[in-house]
Amino acid sequence: EIVLTQSPGTLSLSPGERATLSCRASQTVSSSFLAWYQQKPGQAPRLLIYGASSRATGIPDRFSGSGSGTDFTLTISRLEPEDFAVYYCQQYGSSPLRYTFGQGTKLEIK
Amino acid sequence: EVQLVQSGAEVKKPGESLKISCKGSGYKFINYWIAWVRQMPGKGLEWMGIIYPGDSDATYSPSFQGQVTISADKSISTAYLQWSSLKASDTAMYYCARRGDSPYYVLEVWGQGTTVTVSS
Repeated sequence: EIVLTQSPGTLSLSPGERATLSCRASQTVSSSFLAWYQQKPGQAPRLLIYGASSRATGIPDRFSGSGSGTDFTLTISRLEPEDFAVYYCQQYGSSPLRYTFGQGTKLEIK
Repeated sequence: EVQLVQSGAEVKKPGESLKISCKGSGYKFINYWIAWVRQMPGKGLEWMGIIYPGDSDATYSPSFQGQVTISADKSISTAYLQWSSLKASDTAMYYCARRGDSPYYVLEVWGQGTTVTVSS
């Protein structure tokens, strides 16, 4: 079973700064099957990045994903006030079929 | 517009049964898998299981196998998550989400969530 470990647990930054969030897998993950989600308080998660580096529809280009193998990164180039939220990485496994989420990184205003 | 609309909040007692729903619209419901995700208070996301409404083929996370039942009624474009005997530890927010197409299989559209509170 693949375990996803996100770091840091909490990231305190100011608007305008750059955010770098990490997701490390316990085994090699296909880049096609690595996604990132954003969740704001009281809201459902929203898909940000799929295939490790492709932005979902309507996602601003300040969000970017990168990585391969066991190490993946979500970068927010210049933080806007609405970006402060919790971010989850997620991996899809096909055999057996399952989804695995990281424990989340909380991005908070400094 | 593709939408998943979930049933409303529930307050139940331990030992009671419950079935919550997730209705799809704006797309051909039978063609897309629907997943269920649990979020306990103040915690992260946990995948519970997934169903293909076209033939009701369901797969469960080992953590939830035997604890819940996932089903679907394609005639009314609705997926369900049910419990036969609730526990206090089932208190959580439950989300349904539509799985996207190959090759990415992401959870691309989410319902608004259903809060389940189990308390004596």
